[in-house]
Amino acid sequence: DAGVIQSPRHEVTEMGQEVTLRCKPISGHDYLFWYRQTMMRGLELLIYFNNNVPIDDSGMPEDRFSAKMPNASFSTLKIQPSEPRDSAVYFCASSDRDRREKLFFGSGTQLSVL
Amino acid sequence: AQKVTQAQTEISVVEKEDVTLDCVYETRDTTYYLFWYKQPPSGELVFLIRRNSFDEQNEISGRYSWNFQKSTSSFNFTITASQVVDSAVYFCALRGRDDKIIFGKGTRLHILP
Repeated sequence: DAGVIQSPRHEVTEMGQEVTLRCKPISGHDYLFWYRQTMMRGLELLIYFNNNVPIDDSGMPEDRFSAKMPNASFSTLKIQPSEPRDSAVYFCASSDRDRREKLFFGSGTQLSVL
Repeated sequence: AQKVTQAQTEISVVEKEDVTLDCVYETRDTTYYLFWYKQPPSGELVFLIRRNSFDEQNEISGRYSWNFQKSTSSFNFTITASQVVDSAVYFCALRGRDDKIIFGKGTRLHILP
């Protein structure tokens, strides 16, 4: 099993540019979560999906953030336009339908907005 | 609303000392799951333990042990005879009936040689 795959590993962009982060969950997993990690806020839940449907996006900070899951094997998190305060590590994680199941995390995307 | 509080932002202990990381949670659900994750300096998130709300038995795994007390809504983590390799950020997390998984802000643990 390849695990959760995120790309890119690192992204450096300029303020105002569009940024797209990508995630491939573990095959067969029904849940997909996007988290943002900063020193100040720790690991914040941004949005999660069940069977490709967004269930709760209350953690998405602003309209500049959007997430999609067009199929069971792919999700994107887009920031448009990006701002320096968006700089953080973004993690994607997936989980099986069994609520007892733990989260499997990707390696994260380190985003720097200059 | 669900909430996880890790009041200890940063802890430093000398190697071989025991250390306890605190986790307090809030939920109205009767069925829920609690987790601990470790994030070493390399940045990945490593699963340590899962506990469901109906199982209050304490668990021990090598030098690690967990104390779950529903009466105080706490799920504390103890490392016995700490080692430098235990230095990391440790996160406590809660999964409720809606399957939303939220994390505490983490405790940064420094084990000094």
